[in-house]
Amino acid sequence: DSGVTQTPKHLITATGQRVTLRCSPRSGDLSVYWYQQSLDQGLQFLIQYYNGEERAKGNILERFSAQQFPDLHSELNLSSLELGDSALYFCASSAGLRDSHQETQYFGPGTRLLVL
Amino acid sequence: AQKITQTQPGMFVQEKEAVTLDCTYDTSDPSYGLFWYKQPSSGEMIFLIYQGSYDQQNATEGRYSLNFQKARKSANLVISASQLGDSAMYFCAMSQPGYSSASKIIFGSGTRLSIRP
Repeated sequence: DSGVTQTPKHLITATGQRVTLRCSPRSGDLSVYWYQQSLDQGLQFLIQYYNGEERAKGNILERFSAQQFPDLHSELNLSSLELGDSALYFCASSAGLRDSHQETQYFGPGTRLLVL
Repeated sequence: AQKITQTQPGMFVQEKEAVTLDCTYDTSDPSYGLFWYKQPSSGEMIFLIYQGSYDQQNATEGRYSLNFQKARKSANLVISASQLGDSAMYFCAMSQPGYSSASKIIFGSGTRLSIRP
């Protein structure tokens, strides 16, 4: 158990809908990261938040947005869903020290999203 | 551009044998971190081992060791005395520094390791 929690575990929805994925980082971790794992694209970094502020952005679509709240939990919002958005979405967290790239990122169990 | 390459899509190994999973990387940044993660069929991503670009010694964690050859830009994972529970997908990853606590990891395409009893 990494200490990172994600809800829900599974999500089935229809095209055009909007969903929210939730992540609680490990106790004390300030940085939260979101990743998408799909069969054709592999594991892709989406976005990082540090103590409530966006810090790094990857291949995140404009239809997707995220935020980190004062209690450090984070949400990833996916809107106008398409079939291709079906994937496993991971949240990870790290302590958030100055040299964050040297920190281990601990992953949550993931949310499996299926868009029909 | 930063890149991680895992050239072995799949490997079969006999139980109790040692196995080496290959990983090469490309970056122009002198400061980076290298990671290996294990993803069993259940889907979770499990951290195995970390190597910093300035670390002088190869990282070890139990049965896992990282063979870090900086000049060759390779970071191979060695699993000693493989067990049936080692059957999983293994990802090599590299983290890049950014401004003010920014960081992101790029992943290789993975190697599926299957351990034969």
